[in-house]
Formats: sequence, structure tokens, C-alpha cells
Amino acid sequence: AAGVIQSPRHLIKEKRETATLKCYPIPRHDTVYWYQQGPGQDPQFLISFYEKMQSDKGSIPDRFSAQQFSDYHSELNMSSLELGDSALYFCASSPGLEDYGYTFGSGTRLTVV
Amino acid sequence: GESVGLHLPTLSVQEGDNSIINCAYSNSASDYFIWYKQESGKGPQFIIDIRSNMDKRQGQRVTVLLNKTVKHLSLQIAATQPGDSAVYFCAEKRMNYGGSQGNLIFGKGTKLSVKP
Repeated sequence: AAGVIQSPRHLIKEKRETATLKCYPIPRHDTVYWYQQGPGQDPQFLISFYEKMQSDKGSIPDRFSAQQFSDYHSELNMSSLELGDSALYFCASSPGLEDYGYTFGSGTRLTVV
Repeated sequence: GESVGLHLPTLSVQEGDNSIINCAYSNSASDYFIWYKQESGKGPQFIIDIRSNMDKRQGQRVTVLLNKTVKHLSLQIAATQPGDSAVYFCAEKRMNYGGSQGNLIFGKGTKLSVKP
């Protein structure tokens, strides 16, 4: 079965650079969620999109932005990277309002040096 | 603020024993809870879920218990195996009243180590 695809798997950036993470949800899933997980931490909700519109916002820094495109894939754009942005970034997708299924991707490991 | 958390950060069990991982939540309005297993460097993997109108749900070797009175959630793993070694998270779903599904709020993980 198709899963949530994230790219790239690993990314190394220098401070003050920008990064773009991509997420391809399970087909027919219209909702995408982004999470950040620091070392030894629980995943922290950043932002979510439903039907290409932002549906909820968590602890996402102003330096980050995200969007969901017409094909439902989503991109997380991160600018002015800081050392503290080094983390695993997970994307999850879910189908419509009546189904509670959430599926996570394998994540992108971002290292800022 | 509201949070979902775990009582124990680490749990070590002998292979074949039963494991119990606990979680406390504070948002009494949450209507859905999920347990996830996360292996090193991988994404959270769904184990079992439970809705607030239930107090127990069983899967293969796993059982989730929900006590709404004390806002407590537990995951029981029967006959724990070395492959069960991972970090386990409980997560709470909060409804987004704008119409979409709510995002998940994760609690602090518990690291389960299974000794052969």
C-alpha cells in the first residue's frame, strides 16, 4: 500500500540558509500535518492543511512557511536556519473528516551546521 | 497549559513478560487517542487507537485502556518481544472547530527495552 513519502530523507544546511521539505500524502488523503521532533523529544505539531487551506497552526516559527498544492502534496519552507532547527521533520496525512486515520512518513532529518 | 504526558521515561522488561506503558492527559474534551511506536530514525508507527466512548480496545498482543474519570490511558503489550523495543508515544486528538480533523498532540515518550 502507498505510504506517506517525504523527501529528502537527509538534509544538511548551514546556518542562515534555507531548506525545503516535501511531503506526498497517501492518495485521496486531503489533510497534511507537519511535526518537528528534536533529539529525545516528542513530536511537536507545526502546521496542518486541509483541502489546500491552512487548518491549524502550532509552534511553527515565523521563519517557516508551508503550503499544500493542488495535488495535495505539501512543502515546508524554512529560512534563516538556526542550529536549533536541527531535528526530524515528519509529515502525516489523513483522509476526510469522517476518518480518524493518521499515517506518518519516515521523516526528513535536517542538520544545521 | 494542556498536555499529554507519560509517567515513566524508561521501561525495561524481560522477553515474554507483559509491558504496561501509562499516559496521563489533561484535555477532557479530547475524543480520540492513539498509541504510536517509534524506532530510531523512523516515523511514528500506528499501534492502536481508542475513541472516548470506549474504555478498552484490543489488538494483536496489545490492549489500550482508557479511564476518562482520571484521564489516564495505558498500553498493554502481551508477551513482549525484542522487536517491541522502541519509544512509545500516546497522542491525543484535539478537534479543530474550523471543520477539519484536529491535529495530534503527543505526550512524552517511554523507551521500552526488552531483555532477551
